[in-house]
Amino acid sequence: AQTVTQSQPEMSVQEAETVTLSCTYDTSESDYYLFWYKQPPSRQMILVIRQEAYKQQNATENRFSVNFQKAAKSFSLKISDSQLGDAAMYFCAFGTASKLTFGTGTRLQVTL
Amino acid sequence: KAGVTQTPRYLIKTRGQQVTLSCSPISGHRSVSWYQQTPGQGLQFLFEYFSETQRNKGNFPGRFSGRQFSNSRSEMNVSTLELGDSALYLCASSLASGSSYEQYFGPGTRLTVT
Repeated sequence: AQTVTQSQPEMSVQEAETVTLSCTYDTSESDYYLFWYKQPPSRQMILVIRQEAYKQQNATENRFSVNFQKAAKSFSLKISDSQLGDAAMYFCAFGTASKLTFGTGTRLQVTL
Repeated sequence: KAGVTQTPRYLIKTRGQQVTLSCSPISGHRSVSWYQQTPGQGLQFLFEYFSETQRNKGNFPGRFSGRQFSNSRSEMNVSTLELGDSALYLCASSLASGSSYEQYFGPGTRLTVT
């Protein structure tokens, strides 16, 4: 069974600053994907970024990038130039065979 | 292209009743997965359907069941409702089965059991 751990229940960042959200996972699988999802107050889950485990290169998507350390089973999300619209719950997820296993989430606040 | 739709959006039921939730995937998507989100247990995978067949199942009791129709629409049924079944039920669709395919989530159905 896979487990996903997000050790930061809440984080705060000032607008235009950079913040990093942490995520670690545990698995015996060799073929898997990792994801960061954003859930704003509307509760709609939105995919932020994904990483294929077999790729060494870290995924980037505009202001969002990941630091994927496969040996350490770590998958952190960096948000650069934070915007008010980034305020949301962020979930790290492990994916295999269509099943997503989610962490407990990190609530990100963005302040002026 | 229309997104994933879920009906109803809100539902109030009484303990012991049963409920059916519906999910219409994005056009062309053949895989539908269901998740339960509660404050206590977080987001948990219920099951996945692809081409009308259950492909994967989470650790939920048999009261939770689902099905998928030939047009890829899916329904989830919970029988003999318990208070602990109160949750946000999310469905997600993807082109095909497998984590290499991005899952697109619907807005969810908020179920309250009294």
